[in-house]
Amino acid sequence: AQSVTQPDIHITVSEGASLELRCNYSYGATPYLFWYVQSPGQGLQLLLKYFSGDTLVQGIKGFEAEFKRSQSSFNLRKPSVHWSDAAEYFCAVGRSGSARQLTFGSGTQLTVLP
Amino acid sequence: EPEVTQTPSHQVTQMGQEVILRCVPISNHLYFYWYRQILGQKVEFLVSFYNNEISEKSEIFDDQFSVERPDGSNFTLKIRSTKLEDSAMYFCASSITGTSTDTQYFGPGTRLTVL
Repeated sequence: AQSVTQPDIHITVSEGASLELRCNYSYGATPYLFWYVQSPGQGLQLLLKYFSGDTLVQGIKGFEAEFKRSQSSFNLRKPSVHWSDAAEYFCAVGRSGSARQLTFGSGTQLTVLP
Repeated sequence: EPEVTQTPSHQVTQMGQEVILRCVPISNHLYFYWYRQILGQKVEFLVSFYNNEISEKSEIFDDQFSVERPDGSNFTLKIRSTKLEDSAMYFCASSITGTSTDTQYFGPGTRLTVL
């Protein structure tokens, strides 16, 4: 069965600093990978997704993620964090052939300091 | 921008009572989902629903759970006899087609507290 690990429960960065959130997955075949963000009182919003092709994926709000098969990773990055990026971030994997049943990581809470 | 809505935002119930959580998916979407997140744990898939039938379900989705699309806009999750361990945030999601590359759009969730 597939699984997702987000090693960092909580990350704090200063506004304007760069950000990298880690995600490792376990899945035998080519995974479908997603990053979602949840702000307080809001639903999970899709930032970006990877199915195949170019391993560097661009998303909304200036985020990008890189799929590294050799490391089983799909880390999320942003070059310059804004205060509005403070939220909880979830990495998820879908089974190849079906993105209907997503498996989520435990989430990383991001705090942005002024 | 269209969004998935869920009501109520917070539901408190007594153990053994039935609860119905409601969701209004995005209007042109055909696949619907329920997930839950127990406090401090991961978001877990419960069930997917298409064409008035359950498409996939996890082992969590046992006989005490049921889903229904009672009309053209609502999608509900019923828990027949709630247990303390059903306390969680329940997320509804929808996608246009449910294909392997389709995006699921999530609602803000309903926090269920079972006393």
